[in-house]
Amino acid sequence: EDKVVQSPLSLVVHEGDTVTLNCSYEVTNFRSLLWYKQEKKAPTFLFMLTSSGIEKKSGRLSSILDKKELFSILNITATQTGDSAIYLCAVDSYNTDKLIFGTGTRLQVFP
Amino acid sequence: NAGVTQTPKFQVLKTGQSMTLQCAQDMNHEYMSWYRQDPGMGLRLIHYSVGAGITDQGEVPNGYNVSRSTTEDFPLRLLSAAPSQTSVYFCASRGTADYLETQYFGPGTRLLVL
Repeated sequence: EDKVVQSPLSLVVHEGDTVTLNCSYEVTNFRSLLWYKQEKKAPTFLFMLTSSGIEKKSGRLSSILDKKELFSILNITATQTGDSAIYLCAVDSYNTDKLIFGTGTRLQVFP
Repeated sequence: NAGVTQTPKFQVLKTGQSMTLQCAQDMNHEYMSWYRQDPGMGLRLIHYSVGAGITDQGEVPNGYNVSRSTTEDFPLRLLSAAPSQTSVYFCASRGTADYLETQYFGPGTRLLVL
């Protein structure tokens, strides 16, 4: 059965800290892994990763995929209070049209 | 474009009542799906559709029905609401040829079943 596991479930840091969020997966015929940020409402897209070892970067956020060890990390450097959100990881396979989501990591950044 | 719209934003039901959550998109997307989000559970797929007239079950389909008579609309029906269906419901859509990075989510419907 396809599954996505995120850790930690919750994280509390101070502004300026660097955080690493983890996502491990088991899926048949993996196609892509996606990261979303969810604040009060709907998830918003951050990154899509399909190849191992190629870092995707957007400002202070970056992500990388390891298809051999079946995991991805999302790094946030110099965190700000606006980074407080739930970060969701999802995987997609060639077998299905479905996105399988992890439970998310709740990040709280305090001043 | 309005994107993906959902109505209502918030609803309170009594156990046993029925209702329909509306979802519409104006992007001519083929794929549409419904998720529910509960604390500590992430997003779980309820039903999805790959085109008008075609629907399929996701991870948690029990207690819900869907239909897709048009490309634009994908309503979710609760036939007899139960407290376990208290959740936030998100509708999403994407185009046939798009990568999943362009899956668009609606703003969500918060449902409380008493």
